[in-house]
Amino acid sequence: GQNIDQPTEMTATEGAIVQINCTYQTSGFNGLFWYQQHAGEAPTFLSYNVLDGLEEKGRFSSFLSRSKGYSYLLLKELQMKDSASYLCAVPSGGYNKLIFGAGTRLAVHP
Amino acid sequence: DTGVSQDPRHKITKRGQNVTFRCDPISEHNRLYWYRQTLGQGPEFLTYFQNEAQLEKSRLLSDRFSAERPKGSFSTLEIQRTEQGDSAMYLCASSLAGAYEQFFGPGTRLTVL
Repeated sequence: GQNIDQPTEMTATEGAIVQINCTYQTSGFNGLFWYQQHAGEAPTFLSYNVLDGLEEKGRFSSFLSRSKGYSYLLLKELQMKDSASYLCAVPSGGYNKLIFGAGTRLAVHP
Repeated sequence: DTGVSQDPRHKITKRGQNVTFRCDPISEHNRLYWYRQTLGQGPEFLTYFQNEAQLEKSRLLSDRFSAERPKGSFSTLEIQRTEQGDSAMYLCASSLAGAYEQFFGPGTRLTVL
């Protein structure tokens, strides 16, 4: 089966850097997704990692270590609009349904 | 707009009533997924269509739930005899066959009184 763990809540200051961790256990591995979800809205795609290492995309970067079953999302130069839930997810099964963690609610304050 | 659309965005109903939601995926996407999300949790998989065929259903999908995708384009999710525990956000997502990224619609928020 699959199990995904991420912290429930984090707080950070505008302009700072925050790292959101995710650990996973899967029976097979086909990559790891990060999605952003603002309150009451749909998840929006941030990143997809299938190989080890860091992938940078503007202010957001995502890291994967397959041997450790570990990923993190790094957000730099935090802005108030970054206050949202960040969901870690892995595809599962032949039809690639996504298994999500419970999400990390990030609050950015001035 | 060529994204995934869902209708209605909000639905309030009384316990015991039937409700139906619609999802229109991105036009060239042949894979369609339904998820349910409750407050403070991540989305949970409900069911999957490839074209018009429903190929996987979660154990979360009780007999009161049924989904269709009659022509391999839009999909409907019906809940019969709604219960208060059905209150949630119902999300639809679509993707291309062979691609991992799923694109989500805005969701339908169901409140059962």
